[in-house]
Amino acid sequence: AQKITQTQPGMFVQEKEAVTLDCTYDTSDPSYGLFWYKQPSSGEMIFLIYQGSYDQQNATEGRYSLNFQKARKSANLVISASQLGDSAMYFCDSTASKLTFGTGTRLQVTL
Amino acid sequence: NAGVMQNPRHLVRRRGQEARLRCSPMKGHSHVYWYRQLPEEGLKFMVYLQKENIIDESGMPKERFSAEFPKEGPSILRIQQVVRGDSAAYFCASSPQQGRRGNTIYFGEGSWLTVV
Repeated sequence: AQKITQTQPGMFVQEKEAVTLDCTYDTSDPSYGLFWYKQPSSGEMIFLIYQGSYDQQNATEGRYSLNFQKARKSANLVISASQLGDSAMYFCDSTASKLTFGTGTRLQVTL
Repeated sequence: NAGVMQNPRHLVRRRGQEARLRCSPMKGHSHVYWYRQLPEEGLKFMVYLQKENIIDESGMPKERFSAEFPKEGPSILRIQQVVRGDSAAYFCASSPQQGRRGNTIYFGEGSWLTVV
């Protein structure tokens, strides 16, 4: 079955440090996209970054970058220079799945 | 998530009443998706609609839930005879093209349903 797996229910990182949030996916589709979203405590969903399966380079958006390893079917999100405002739930999603998100990782940034 | 409008943001219903949640997609978007997020859980896909068509409703409960996206007006998620287990956040998202391949979907701010 096509699905998204996020194995880290919770992560802690110190302010200004980098953190990697894991995401693996399972698909036989030759072409697909991978997304990461942030959901702060206020509840809204915020799009962060997108990676196409045929993109030659890993996607980057400011402090966010995707460590995309196609052979391993992983699309880990790297947040550099963490800020207190990064504390939130983070969801991985794929267009290859049945439109269903991973269960999310709760990131807590500490002083 | 700018541009996808959901209302109401918060809705309280008594058991047995009906809940109607509305979603206006971003301008130019003709595809709408509804997700449900139960407390402390991730998002669960419910239904994917194009104007006047239901494309995929595999995530919708078989009873009491229905969705529509008419030619004119917002998409509506309707829950009849609500029960306490329906209490959740309901998110709407929209995209400009079918199936989201290669396209970002944009989320609304969610509608929080509380059944008392």
